[in-house]
Amino acid sequence: EAGVAQSPRYKIIEKRQSVAFWCNPISGHATLYWYQQILGQGPKLLIQFQNNGVVDDSQLPKDRFSAERLKGVDSTLKIQPAKLEDSAVYLCASSSPGARAFFGQGTRLTVV
Amino acid sequence: GQNIDQPTEMTATEGAIVQINCTYQTSGFNGLFWYQQHAGEAPTFLSYNVLDGLEEKGRFSSFLSRSKGYSYLLLKELQMKDSASYLCAVRDSQAGTALIFGKGTTLSVSS
Repeated sequence: EAGVAQSPRYKIIEKRQSVAFWCNPISGHATLYWYQQILGQGPKLLIQFQNNGVVDDSQLPKDRFSAERLKGVDSTLKIQPAKLEDSAVYLCASSSPGARAFFGQGTRLTVV
Repeated sequence: GQNIDQPTEMTATEGAIVQINCTYQTSGFNGLFWYQQHAGEAPTFLSYNVLDGLEEKGRFSSFLSRSKGYSYLLLKELQMKDSASYLCAVRDSQAGTALIFGKGTTLSVSS
């Protein structure tokens, strides 16, 4: 079974630039999550989708972060403009409703 | 609100047994998960507890006491490859199905 795919694996940008991350969940998984993991900390939920609808985006900094899952499959997470404190690993995870989540390898973002 | 506490770092030697504790406070507890995360890699699922008691899976076991808001992950016959971060996470029914993670415990296994 193919896992959760994310790209790019690494990204370095200057502050105030924009960046986008892509996630392809496991086939058939209706639920998709984006987490932010700052070095030395556990993952923090940014947004949760159920199919193409948003379930929870209460911790998404909406002034600079946006996410979409237009066809209920792939998802993109965008940051515009980026700040130094956005340096982190961005993890995408997917699951069947109520089941355990499977994580992708993440995108490591460095903002300089 | 939610709060999850676990030790920041632990060390152990090959062949030993180590117990990683996790305490939590949630509004509507709906399950506790343990994930293993090697440096630079994705978290991988280890165990799930929703009822009190011990769940055993090979060298790894996980225990839950809902009344005490407490769980532990027990790793037996430690191997060097067990050096990783261990993440305790809870599912809160008032927060949908997403997991709320602790900061993780970095375990270093030496020979």
